Amino acid sequence: EAAVTQSPRNKVTVTGGNVTLSCRQTNSHNYMYWYRQDTGHGLRLIHYSYGAGNLQIGDVPDGYKATRTTQEDFFLLLELASPSQTSLYFCASSDAYRGGQLYFGEGSKLTVL
Amino acid sequence: GDSVTQTEGLVTLTKGLPVMLNCTYQTTYSPFLFWYVQHLNEAPKLLLKSSTDNKRTEHQGFYATLHKSSSSFHLQKSSVQLSDSALYFCALKTGFASALTFGSGTKVIPCLP
Repeated sequence: EAAVTQSPRNKVTVTGGNVTLSCRQTNSHNYMYWYRQDTGHGLRLIHYSYGAGNLQIGDVPDGYKATRTTQEDFFLLLELASPSQTSLYFCASSDAYRGGQLYFGEGSKLTVL
Repeated sequence: GDSVTQTEGLVTLTKGLPVMLNCTYQTTYSPFLFWYVQHLNEAPKLLLKSSTDNKRTEHQGFYATLHKSSSSFHLQKSSVQLSDSALYFCALKTGFASALTFGSGTKVIPCLP
């Protein structure tokens, strides 16, 4: 079974705080993604990557940085967190072909006070 | 850019009745369509997918047919069960290196007669 692990699972910070969400996949997949999930908006793509050192901008990138350090590890950074970034964040990985399904992590719930 | 529209935010229906969740998309490229299901407090998981025009695809009692003429990929089930209570996302992928674009999701709540 494909595996994607996220940490922390829950995080509370204050406005202006610094947050790093971590994701590790053991699927040997090339592609990794960060999505945020909000009621009424579905899953919105923040950033994604197709390999170590690569970064692609998604649909809602403002206020987020990301870094792919290895094929397995993908990080999402919020350097000045705002309440609008309170959300459920999902990391996912996929194969490098058009029909490749996404394998999601369990999600990281972030609350910015 | 690409977009996916799910018109129903919430569908409540009696157990045993048929259900159809609408999904339409917009793209200028060749589409690959997916349905993901997310049960409460879980990560989204692939339900079914298709890129073949006018061919029905089925999985776990659910089925969908991609109709490129109407840009639609509606999800159906002939008899909904209580265990089908979940959030359902339609998603679109176009290019080889592109990420999935998700719809806003439809929450399905079956109830006892």
